[in-house]
Amino acid sequence: GENVEQHPSTLSVQEGDSAVIKCTYSDSASNYFPWYKQELGKRPQLIIDIRSNVGEKKDQRIAVTLNKTAKHFSLHITETQPEDSAVYFCAARIQGAQKLVFGQGTRLTINP
Amino acid sequence: DTEVTQTPKHLVMGMTNKKSLKCEQHMGHRAMYWYKQKAKKPPELMFVYSYEKLSINESVPSRFSPECPNSSLLNLHLHALQPEDSALYLCASSPMGVNEKLFFGSGTQLSVL
Repeated sequence: GENVEQHPSTLSVQEGDSAVIKCTYSDSASNYFPWYKQELGKRPQLIIDIRSNVGEKKDQRIAVTLNKTAKHFSLHITETQPEDSAVYFCAARIQGAQKLVFGQGTRLTINP
Repeated sequence: DTEVTQTPKHLVMGMTNKKSLKCEQHMGHRAMYWYKQKAKKPPELMFVYSYEKLSINESVPSRFSPECPNSSLLNLHLHALQPEDSALYLCASSPMGVNEKLFFGSGTQLSVL
């Protein structure tokens, strides 16, 4: 079945710097890749998603890139702010399987 | 209303109890989900309802019983749970295809004693 590996498991960056989180998926039939942010004690929230027919998508300080050949996708956060501190989960959906497979999460800490 | 509301927020139950978790959304979403999340782990899919019909059951033990009374409500009935079932139970809904653009509720933190 589908497997999603996420790296790093923890990431600490200085406020204002950029952060990059990478995920690799196993099934080439995966066609939808969302990213969720979960602050401590809060619900997961969708922050950005991308479909397999698109290589890059941007929303203000957040961008996601997809490399279908290498089967990996990445979350890029620029000009990081303290409120970006959270656990970030990537996920992949296999076409037809109707199931999201989540990565293990990255705990991002923004240092003032 | 752009929220998924879950009740109760916290629940403590014994292994012989019967309890229910409730989830409600008024966004017109036709897919609703139950996820289980252990501390420091990603959410794990339990059940998916699409147009009020159960479409996915991820081999969940029968002590968890889902119910979708109508398009806005989703329940999870609990019976004879085990301590290892203690976790955060998240409900979610989605406006589009199944497993796209999920809106999560705040969850019910369940402790089984």
